[in-house]
Amino acid sequence: KAGVTQTPRYLIKTRGQQVTLSCSPISGHRSVSWYQQTPGQGLQFLFEYFSETQRNKGNFPGRFSGRQFSNSRSEMNVSTLELGDSALYLCASKVRENTEAFFGQGTRLTVV
Amino acid sequence: QKEVEQNSGPLSVPEGAIASLNCTYSDRVSQSFFWYRQYSGKSPELIMSIYSNGDKEDGRFTAQLNKASQYVSLLIRDSQPSDSATYLCAVNGNYGGSQGNLIFGKGTKLSVKP
Repeated sequence: KAGVTQTPRYLIKTRGQQVTLSCSPISGHRSVSWYQQTPGQGLQFLFEYFSETQRNKGNFPGRFSGRQFSNSRSEMNVSTLELGDSALYLCASKVRENTEAFFGQGTRLTVV
Repeated sequence: QKEVEQNSGPLSVPEGAIASLNCTYSDRVSQSFFWYRQYSGKSPELIMSIYSNGDKEDGRFTAQLNKASQYVSLLIRDSQPSDSATYLCAVNGNYGGSQGNLIFGKGTKLSVKP
Protein backbone atom coordinates (compact mmCIF):
# COMPACT_ATOMS: atom_id res chain seq x y z
CA LYS A 1 0.00 0.00 0.00
CA ALA A 2 1.50 3.31 -1.09
CA GLY A 3 2.13 5.91 1.58
CA VAL A 4 1.43 9.62 1.56
CA THR A 5 3.13 11.30 -1.38
CA GLN A 6 4.15 14.93 -1.39
CA THR A 7 5.52 16.87 -4.33
CA PRO A 8 7.81 18.56 -4.88
CA ARG A 9 10.36 17.52 -2.25
CA TYR A 10 12.33 20.75 -2.43
CA LEU A 11 11.49 24.27 -3.55
CA ILE A 12 13.37 27.54 -3.63
CA LYS A 13 11.25 30.65 -4.13
CA THR A 14 11.78 34.38 -3.98
CA ARG A 15 10.01 36.70 -1.57
CA GLY A 16 6.67 37.84 -2.97
CA GLN A 17 6.14 34.79 -5.14
CA GLN A 18 3.51 32.19 -4.55
CA VAL A 19 3.86 28.41 -4.28
CA THR A 20 1.59 25.38 -4.55
CA LEU A 21 2.36 22.11 -2.80
CA SER A 22 0.65 18.82 -3.52
CA CYS A 23 -0.28 15.85 -1.35
CA SER A 24 -1.70 12.46 -2.34
CA PRO A 25 -3.05 10.59 0.70
CA ILE A 26 -3.02 6.88 1.38
CA SER A 27 -5.72 5.15 -0.65
CA GLY A 28 -8.98 5.18 1.28
CA HIS A 29 -7.97 8.06 3.55
CA ARG A 30 -10.37 10.98 3.24
CA SER A 31 -8.78 13.32 5.76
CA VAL A 32 -5.74 15.36 4.78
CA SER A 33 -4.03 17.76 7.18
CA TRP A 34 -1.18 20.16 6.58
CA TYR A 35 1.50 21.15 9.07
CA GLN A 36 4.41 23.56 9.07
CA GLN A 37 7.60 22.57 10.87
CA THR A 38 10.31 25.06 11.81
CA PRO A 39 13.16 24.71 14.30
CA GLY A 40 11.76 27.43 16.51
CA GLN A 41 8.04 26.67 16.50
CA GLY A 42 8.02 22.93 15.97
CA LEU A 43 5.10 21.32 14.17
CA GLN A 44 2.13 23.61 13.77
CA PHE A 45 -1.26 22.75 12.33
CA LEU A 46 -2.29 24.67 9.22
CA PHE A 47 -5.61 23.15 8.14
CA GLU A 48 -7.49 19.93 7.61
CA TYR A 49 -9.69 18.82 4.76
CA PHE A 50 -12.23 16.04 4.78
CA SER A 51 -14.37 15.15 1.77
CA GLU A 52 -13.35 18.35 -0.04
CA THR A 53 -14.36 20.58 2.89
CA GLN A 54 -12.05 22.48 5.18
CA ARG A 55 -12.93 21.16 8.61
CA ASN A 56 -10.34 22.88 10.78
CA LYS A 57 -7.94 25.76 10.41
CA GLY A 58 -4.94 26.71 12.52
CA ASN A 59 -3.70 30.15 13.41
CA PHE A 60 -2.02 31.14 10.15
CA PRO A 61 -2.61 34.22 7.96
CA GLY A 62 -4.90 34.12 4.97
CA ARG A 63 -1.89 33.85 2.65
CA PHE A 64 -2.02 30.15 3.47
CA SER A 65 -4.85 28.34 1.76
CA GLY A 66 -5.69 24.88 0.59
CA ARG A 67 -8.19 22.70 -1.14
CA GLN A 68 -9.06 19.06 -1.57
CA PHE A 69 -10.23 17.31 -4.69
CA SER A 70 -12.79 14.55 -5.11
CA ASN A 71 -10.04 11.92 -5.17
CA SER A 72 -8.86 13.21 -1.75
CA ARG A 73 -5.66 14.71 -3.16
CA SER A 74 -4.93 18.06 -1.60
CA GLU A 75 -3.00 21.17 -2.45
CA MET A 76 -1.86 24.03 -0.30
CA ASN A 77 -0.97 27.43 -1.61
CA VAL A 78 1.09 30.18 -0.03
CA SER A 79 0.88 33.60 -1.64
CA THR A 80 3.19 36.58 -1.23
CA LEU A 81 5.95 34.49 0.27
CA GLU A 82 7.95 35.85 3.19
CA LEU A 83 11.36 34.76 4.45
CA GLY A 84 9.66 33.37 7.55
CA ASP A 85 7.68 30.91 5.43
CA SER A 86 10.84 28.86 4.94
CA ALA A 87 9.99 25.55 6.56
CA LEU A 88 9.26 21.88 6.09
CA TYR A 89 5.63 21.50 5.03
CA LEU A 90 4.13 18.18 5.96
CA CYS A 91 0.95 16.53 4.86
CA ALA A 92 -0.72 13.78 6.88
CA SER A 93 -3.63 11.56 5.99
CA LYS A 94 -6.00 9.42 8.02
CA VAL A 95 -9.17 7.48 7.54
CA ARG A 96 -11.31 9.70 9.76
CA GLU A 97 -10.96 11.92 12.80
CA ASN A 98 -9.53 10.54 16.00
CA THR A 99 -7.47 7.91 14.19
CA GLU A 100 -3.80 7.52 13.36
CA ALA A 101 -2.27 10.06 10.99
CA PHE A 102 0.51 9.14 8.58
CA PHE A 103 2.90 11.73 7.21
CA GLY A 104 4.38 12.21 3.78
CA GLN A 105 8.05 12.94 3.23
CA GLY A 106 7.42 16.68 3.29
CA THR A 107 8.27 19.60 1.03
CA ARG A 108 11.24 21.69 2.07
CA LEU A 109 10.49 25.28 1.08
CA THR A 110 13.23 27.88 1.12
CA VAL A 111 12.31 31.52 0.54
CA VAL A 112 15.19 33.80 -0.47
CA GLN B 1 -4.33 27.77 24.37
CA LYS B 2 -4.19 24.01 24.10
CA GLU B 3 -0.65 22.79 24.74
CA VAL B 4 1.48 19.69 24.73
CA GLU B 5 4.66 19.86 26.79
CA GLN B 6 7.77 17.74 26.50
CA ASN B 7 11.29 18.05 27.86
CA SER B 8 13.46 19.07 24.93
CA GLY B 9 16.41 17.01 26.09
CA PRO B 10 18.77 15.86 24.92
CA LEU B 11 18.12 12.66 26.81
CA SER B 12 21.19 10.47 26.71
CA VAL B 13 21.04 6.77 27.62
CA PRO B 14 23.53 3.94 27.15
CA GLU B 15 22.82 1.16 24.71
CA GLY B 16 20.62 -1.53 26.26
CA ALA B 17 19.07 0.82 28.84
CA ILE B 18 15.45 1.93 29.14
CA ALA B 19 14.66 5.36 27.73
CA SER B 20 11.72 7.15 29.33
CA LEU B 21 10.03 10.00 27.48
CA ASN B 22 7.31 12.09 29.05
CA CYS B 23 4.54 14.37 27.84
CA THR B 24 1.78 16.40 29.46
CA TYR B 25 -1.21 17.98 27.76
CA SER B 26 -3.63 20.71 28.74
CA ASP B 27 -6.92 19.78 27.02
CA ARG B 28 -8.92 17.43 29.25
CA VAL B 29 -11.23 16.37 26.42
CA SER B 30 -8.41 14.93 24.30
CA GLN B 31 -9.08 11.31 23.43
CA SER B 32 -6.23 10.19 21.19
CA PHE B 33 -2.52 10.22 21.89
CA PHE B 34 0.36 9.42 19.62
CA TRP B 35 4.12 9.10 19.63
CA TYR B 36 6.08 9.88 16.50
CA ARG B 37 9.77 9.38 15.85
CA GLN B 38 11.56 11.85 13.62
CA TYR B 39 15.07 11.34 12.36
CA SER B 40 17.03 14.41 11.37
CA GLY B 41 15.91 15.67 7.97
CA LYS B 42 13.04 13.18 7.75
CA SER B 43 9.31 13.34 8.36
CA PRO B 44 7.60 12.06 11.53
CA GLU B 45 6.93 8.33 11.66
CA LEU B 46 4.11 6.98 13.83
CA ILE B 47 5.37 4.46 16.37
CA MET B 48 2.59 4.22 18.95
CA SER B 49 -1.01 5.25 19.46
CA ILE B 50 -2.97 4.98 22.70
CA TYR B 51 -6.58 5.82 23.40
CA SER B 52 -7.41 4.50 26.88
CA ASN B 53 -5.82 4.65 30.30
CA GLY B 54 -3.09 2.16 31.06
CA ASP B 55 -0.23 0.62 29.17
CA LYS B 56 0.07 -0.44 25.56
CA GLU B 57 3.05 -2.50 24.45
CA ASP B 58 4.44 -3.01 20.96
CA GLY B 59 7.78 -4.75 20.77
CA ARG B 60 10.35 -2.69 22.65
CA PHE B 61 7.95 0.24 22.99
CA THR B 62 5.41 0.81 25.75
CA ALA B 63 3.05 3.79 25.82
CA GLN B 64 1.43 4.75 29.11
CA LEU B 65 -1.60 7.02 29.45
CA ASN B 66 -3.06 8.63 32.56
CA LYS B 67 -5.96 10.89 31.60
CA ALA B 68 -6.60 12.01 35.19
CA SER B 69 -3.07 13.40 35.38
CA GLN B 70 -3.09 14.44 31.69
CA TYR B 71 0.13 12.56 31.20
CA VAL B 72 1.39 10.21 28.52
CA SER B 73 4.78 8.53 28.36
CA LEU B 74 6.84 6.31 26.09
CA LEU B 75 9.28 3.71 27.32
CA ILE B 76 11.87 2.23 24.99
CA ARG B 77 13.42 -0.96 26.32
CA ASP B 78 16.83 -2.26 25.23
CA SER B 79 17.61 1.07 23.57
CA GLN B 80 19.68 0.90 20.40
CA PRO B 81 21.79 3.58 18.68
CA SER B 82 19.24 3.45 15.85
CA ASP B 83 16.64 4.77 18.31
CA SER B 84 18.52 8.07 18.42
CA ALA B 85 16.00 10.57 17.09
CA THR B 86 13.55 13.23 18.20
CA TYR B 87 10.36 11.82 19.71
CA LEU B 88 7.22 13.86 19.26
CA CYS B 89 4.17 13.55 21.45
CA ALA B 90 0.89 14.42 19.70
CA VAL B 91 -2.62 14.84 21.02
CA ASN B 92 -5.82 15.19 19.05
CA GLY B 93 -7.08 18.75 19.17
CA ASN B 94 -10.71 19.65 19.58
CA TYR B 95 -11.74 22.62 17.50
CA GLY B 96 -15.42 23.24 16.93
CA GLY B 97 -16.20 19.72 18.02
CA SER B 98 -13.89 18.17 15.45
CA GLN B 99 -10.76 16.27 16.38
CA GLY B 100 -9.23 16.48 12.96
CA ASN B 101 -5.89 17.95 13.86
CA LEU B 102 -2.94 17.03 16.01
CA ILE B 103 -1.26 19.26 18.56
CA PHE B 104 2.43 18.44 18.88
CA GLY B 105 4.94 18.94 21.61
CA LYS B 106 8.31 20.37 20.64
CA GLY B 107 9.87 16.93 20.90
CA THR B 108 12.50 15.23 23.04
CA LYS B 109 15.83 14.47 21.42
CA LEU B 110 17.06 11.03 22.41
CA SER B 111 20.67 9.95 22.05
CA VAL B 112 21.60 6.31 22.63
CA LYS B 113 25.33 5.86 23.22
CA PRO B 114 27.01 2.60 22.11
